[in-house]
Amino acid sequence: ETGVTQSPTHLIKTRGQQVTLRCSSQSGHNTVSWYQQALGQGPQFIFQYYREEENGRGNFPPRFSGLQFPNYSSELNVNALELDDSALYLCASSWGQRNTEAFFGQGTRLTVV
Amino acid sequence: AQSVAQPEDQVNVAEGNPLTVKCTYSVSGNPYLFWYVQYPNRGLQFLLKYITGDNLVKGSYGFEAEFNKSQTSFHLKKPSALVSDSALYFCAVTPNNFNKFYFGSGTKLNVKP
Repeated sequence: ETGVTQSPTHLIKTRGQQVTLRCSSQSGHNTVSWYQQALGQGPQFIFQYYREEENGRGNFPPRFSGLQFPNYSSELNVNALELDDSALYLCASSWGQRNTEAFFGQGTRLTVV
Repeated sequence: AQSVAQPEDQVNVAEGNPLTVKCTYSVSGNPYLFWYVQYPNRGLQFLLKYITGDNLVKGSYGFEAEFNKSQTSFHLKKPSALVSDSALYFCAVTPNNFNKFYFGSGTKLNVKP
């Protein structure tokens, strides 16, 4: 196991609702990235947080937002859920902005109905 | 622009035979290349990476990959496949100034007894 934990593991929400996903990074890591993996596809970068600041964002709308806390854990918030938001959400932690290796959590499976 | 292509959705191989999972990439600047494996309902597990140096990289569980700059390829190989190697394999690239992964679409490896 990587030491990166995500909660919850599974979640079902209704279209239009809001959701918060959580990630506890590996000890000593100060960077957290979030990815969305739709069924049958590779993970897509959502955004990265480095020392509590957003440090890069992928092609996701503003209703996807996040936070990183002083202990470097992180949250991903999605507002106004759409059916297409159904996916596995992966959190990856690493040391530094340019670290060459990231450790992934087991993911949160979000289903929007 | 950065991109990764995994031309095979699925690779079938008999246990004990060598396996190859193909990956080609497009990146501006020097590439940082990775292979990750994903088991059902799990996050991504790091296998190996190429940053610089020897073109043949050895990683976890007996896997290795060969970096070929002229062909912009980074194929994953193993001399003798195990049934337990059956999983989904992702190739990824990051630009050398930012720890954002661009993943391929994945290749499902089936190793039959």
